[in-house]
Amino acid sequence: DAGVIQSPRHEVTEMGQEVTLRCKPISGHNSLFWYRQTMMRGLELLIYFNNNVPIDDSGMPEDRFSAKMPNASFSTLKIQPSEPRDSAVYFCASSFRRILDSPLHFGNGTRLTVT
Amino acid sequence: AQTVTQSQPEMSVQEAETVTLSCTYDTSENNYYLFWYKQPPSRQMILVIRQEAYKQQNATENRFSVNFQKAAKSFSLKISDSQLGDTAMYFCAWLNAGGTSYGKLTFGQGTILTVHP
Repeated sequence: DAGVIQSPRHEVTEMGQEVTLRCKPISGHNSLFWYRQTMMRGLELLIYFNNNVPIDDSGMPEDRFSAKMPNASFSTLKIQPSEPRDSAVYFCASSFRRILDSPLHFGNGTRLTVT
Repeated sequence: AQTVTQSQPEMSVQEAETVTLSCTYDTSENNYYLFWYKQPPSRQMILVIRQEAYKQQNATENRFSVNFQKAAKSFSLKISDSQLGDTAMYFCAWLNAGGTSYGKLTFGQGTILTVHP
């Protein structure tokens, strides 16, 4: 199993540009999570999906952020327009059934730098 | 709102020695889970150990064990026989066991552990 696959690993963009982060969860997992890690705020849950349906997006910072999961094997997190304060490491994670039943598997993250 | 606090930004230990990382949390919930995750320089988040709040017995996983004090809302991680590969950032995390809280982990700020040869 290749694990959770995120791309790109690094992204550098200019303020105002659109950024799309991609995630392929582990095959068979039915829950997918997007987390953001910064020095100031630590790890924060942005949004999570269950069976491709968004369950809770209360962690999404503002309307510039959007996430989709068109099928069980793919999800995107989009920032439009991007701002320097969006610079962070963005993690995707997946699990099978409730996290209580199985560990949460994280990808290696995408380091986003907005200049 | 639930909060998780790790009061030690950095810790260091000599190889083969024992080190304890601290974590406290604040919640009004009675049924929850606690976790320790390890994040090495590769950025991968690795589950180290898990504790169910309803269990009084402390969880152990090989060289890793926890001291869970529910009344004090404390959840420390002990690493015995420290190895160079234990060098990483360690995160304490809390999860409500009730309802449909699938992945709403609340993380602490992290503790950077360095193991010296």
